[in-house]
Amino acid sequence: DVVMSQSPLPLPVPLGQPASISCRSSQSLVHSNGNTYLNWYHQRPGQSPRRLIYKVSNRDSGVPDRFSGSGSGSDFTLKISRVEAEDVGVYYCMQGTHWPYTFGRGTKLEI
Amino acid sequence: QVQLQQWGAGLLKPSETLSLTCAVYGGSFSGYYWSWIRQPPGKGPEWIGEINHSGTANYSPSLKSRVTMSVDTSKYQFSLKVNSVTAADTAVYYCARKDTLTGPDYWGQGTLVNVSS
Repeated sequence: DVVMSQSPLPLPVPLGQPASISCRSSQSLVHSNGNTYLNWYHQRPGQSPRRLIYKVSNRDSGVPDRFSGSGSGSDFTLKISRVEAEDVGVYYCMQGTHWPYTFGRGTKLEI
Repeated sequence: QVQLQQWGAGLLKPSETLSLTCAVYGGSFSGYYWSWIRQPPGKGPEWIGEINHSGTANYSPSLKSRVTMSVDTSKYQFSLKVNSVTAADTAVYYCARKDTLTGPDYWGQGTLVNVSS
């Protein structure tokens, strides 16, 4: 299985400051069709994960533009330009290129 | 607005069969893979498998021998069975819709399944 490694664990960030979460995969996530299936999810305590970013850099509907995703191959980053109180929780990267799909262990963002 | 609502037994004894069902409200039932994902306490999510409206299923190799998924297109529901459960199967189980182009987008509310003697 493809191993997804996230850092840092956890991530303390003051309100209004930027945050960056790294995700690295044990294999390239470029699919044979040319797409890279790397998603980011946010999970608050007691809630289901919510997708923020799909295919590396595409923001889901309703996701604030302070969230952005970037990267290629096996190295990816989620950035929050200015952390707000509602951003606390755990962030997971997930690869959907290789079966079985796999998630990272998560990065807990703390204010 | 797509909503997934799931239900099933939350407390099992070792060797019993886990059984969960997820109902889909809003949106189409075809054109997607309907997935099950679990999250052990304090850990990241783990993919169990997926099934489409035609009944074509893909299971994670680590669970394949114990997992069965099914669909009821008339009710817009899909189900998961995991037999011979052990304490290692204790987790919050989620159903989710997987868009074939973008991955899992809508998730159910989760069901905590505790396996204990």
